[in-house]
Amino acid sequence: DAGVTQSPTHLIKTRGQQVTLRCSPKSGHDTVSWYQQALGQGPQFIFQYYEEEERQRGNFPDRFSGHQFPNYSSELNVNALLLGDSALYLCASSLVVPTGPSYEQYFGPGTRLTVT
Amino acid sequence: DQQVKQNSPSLSVQEGRISILNCDYTNSMFDYFLWYKKYPAEGPTFLISISSIKDKNEDGRFTVFLNKSAKHLSLHIVPSQPGDSAVYFCAASAEAGNMLTFGGGTRLMVKP
Repeated sequence: DAGVTQSPTHLIKTRGQQVTLRCSPKSGHDTVSWYQQALGQGPQFIFQYYEEEERQRGNFPDRFSGHQFPNYSSELNVNALLLGDSALYLCASSLVVPTGPSYEQYFGPGTRLTVT
Repeated sequence: DQQVKQNSPSLSVQEGRISILNCDYTNSMFDYFLWYKKYPAEGPTFLISISSIKDKNEDGRFTVFLNKSAKHLSLHIVPSQPGDSAVYFCAASAEAGNMLTFGGGTRLMVKP
């Protein structure tokens, strides 16, 4: 049973550039959430996608955008990169069961983004 | 405004003894709490959870206690093993399927 996968593992970008990170959810999961984890801190929620639409958004600027595809995979795009965007970006998947959404989210290994 | 706080950045415990990790929250709307464990270069791994309608949930060596009046929860690991050494995150949710709000994490070191 494949878990959550993310690509690439590491990425180095220059200020002002744009980046796209990718995520494939755990098999059978239909909801994808993205989190940013700065060094020494806990993950912070960016946004969540369900049925190809942004369902919920955290306190992140519009430079952060996303997309979910019909196969439930997702992309996170960040425009006009700042030094402060350097972080571990985590993707998590979860499942809407017949009785409703589940609380548990399952995380991928993350993409380490360094902005220079 | 940190809605979920883990006030101890690190904890060192001897193998075989009990590890107690603490977490405090401020948002009364949180109704579900989760603990995740994170090893370096890996994503957080779900460990155990508890609903706000319960005050205790146990799974093997791991037990989570919830004190709603104090807005406090704790994770007990008994007995602690060197393989338990990792960063532990407390997380909370206000509604099923919604965002998780994480604490800053506690690094647990279990010494042989």
